Amino acid sequence: KAGVTQTPRYLIKTRGQQVTLSCSPISGHRSVSWYQQTPGQGLQFLFEYFSETQRNKGNFPGRFSGRQFSNSRSEMNVSTLELGDSALYLCASSGRPNTGELFFGEGSRLTVL
Amino acid sequence: AQRVTQPEKLLSVFKGAPVELKCNYSYSGSPELFWYVQYSRQRLQLLLRHISRESIKGFTADLNKGETSFHLKKPFAQEEDSAMYYCALSVTGANSKLTFGKGITLSVRP
Repeated sequence: KAGVTQTPRYLIKTRGQQVTLSCSPISGHRSVSWYQQTPGQGLQFLFEYFSETQRNKGNFPGRFSGRQFSNSRSEMNVSTLELGDSALYLCASSGRPNTGELFFGEGSRLTVL
Repeated sequence: AQRVTQPEKLLSVFKGAPVELKCNYSYSGSPELFWYVQYSRQRLQLLLRHISRESIKGFTADLNKGETSFHLKKPFAQEEDSAMYYCALSVTGANSKLTFGKGITLSVRP
């Protein structure tokens, strides 16, 4: 089985722009979670989707949003980018929701200038 | 709210030495605890979960509810164990999510 695939792998944006990141889960997995990883804060939960429904959301401002499509692929969007949004964004999939057994992608590294 | 604490950022040992990576958690209910590992230039992956009570790559971890700890142990470290290790907690229910500790870098010297 192919692993979790995230695109793009690297991107550079400027303050005020918006960005969309994509995640394709492992085939058959319907649950997708997103995490932000920074050197200072570590891994922080953003949101979890299952069957196109957001099940959980972390403590991030409304500029961070996401969605899941009928084929389980997921996107996350960050609007009005700030310097502090520079991070590695990790997507993870699992075969069922509410589980800590996650399969991670390699991440999308966002740099905001 | 749940919290995971990994008190140390770096542990450096010689090959063959015992290893203990500390993890403490705070949660009033019944959590599920996990250890994730990230080897150099590889993606984050699950190492073990407390429910399985199994040994993976020689590592074991016992959930101690009295001390709210889930320390990761290995009796004889190998150079290939060098990696970043994260302890994580999952709470089942409507507000479930995976809460990670800040992680610890394990360096095993030859």
